Amino acid sequence: GENVEQHPSTLSVQEGDSAVIKCTYSDSASNYFPWYKQELGKRPQLIIDIRSNVGEKKDQRIAVTLNKTAKHFSLHITETQPEDSAVYFCAAQDWGKLQFGAGTQVVVTP
Amino acid sequence: NAGVTQTPKFQVLKTGQSMTLQCAQDMNHNSMYWYRQDPGMGLRLIYYSASEGTTDKGEVPNGYNVSRLNKREFSLRLESAAPSQTSVYFCASSEARAGNTIYFGEGSWLTVV
Repeated sequence: GENVEQHPSTLSVQEGDSAVIKCTYSDSASNYFPWYKQELGKRPQLIIDIRSNVGEKKDQRIAVTLNKTAKHFSLHITETQPEDSAVYFCAAQDWGKLQFGAGTQVVVTP
Repeated sequence: NAGVTQTPKFQVLKTGQSMTLQCAQDMNHNSMYWYRQDPGMGLRLIYYSASEGTTDKGEVPNGYNVSRLNKREFSLRLESAAPSQTSVYFCASSEARAGNTIYFGEGSWLTVV
C-alpha cells in the first residue's frame, strides 16, 4: 500500500519568512495530493490540493509543487503570519485509500 | 448545512466497556470514513464505506466494527474498549472515494481507563 513520509516534524519560522514542508510517497499510481491544516483542538481542513496532471498550484500565500518522477510534493507558505501556526498534513491517494503523512507542527514566531 | 456531525464529543470508558460513536453527514456524500489520530502518528484510517451498503477495513481495524446505516450515517463501535483505543476519532465524508475533498467532523475525544 501507499506510504507517505513527511518532513520536518516541527518547523519554527519568523513571521514574514517562508515555510516549506516536504512529503514523499511510495505508490507511483497515486494521483491526488491534498494538504490539510489542523489548528489545536480542531478538525483537519483542506487548504490546497493538486492532481498528478499538474506540476504546481498556487492560492494566495500557499503553493504546492509535485514531482511525479521523484515521487515527492511540497507545501510552500510565503509571508507567514501567526495564524499559520498549526499542524499540516500531506496525503496521497490512488483510486484507493487516502494515506496521510505524520504531520508537521508549524510555529510562527513574531 | 451542518456538514459532518459526530457524537459524543468527549467520552471516558472503563476497560471492557462498549460504546458506539455516531456520525452523520448532510452533504449527500457517497463515501464515509473513520480515522483515529494519535500524537505523532497522523490520521490513520480505521474503516471506510465507499458507498451505501459497503464497508471495508482500513489501516487499523482491529477492535472496531462499523455500520453504514444509510447514506447519511456511519457508526463506529468499540465492543470491548482497551486503553490502546484512547485517541481522538474523526468521522469524515467525501463525494466519492477517489480524488475528492474529505470533510472531517469535529472529532470525538475518547479515553479508556
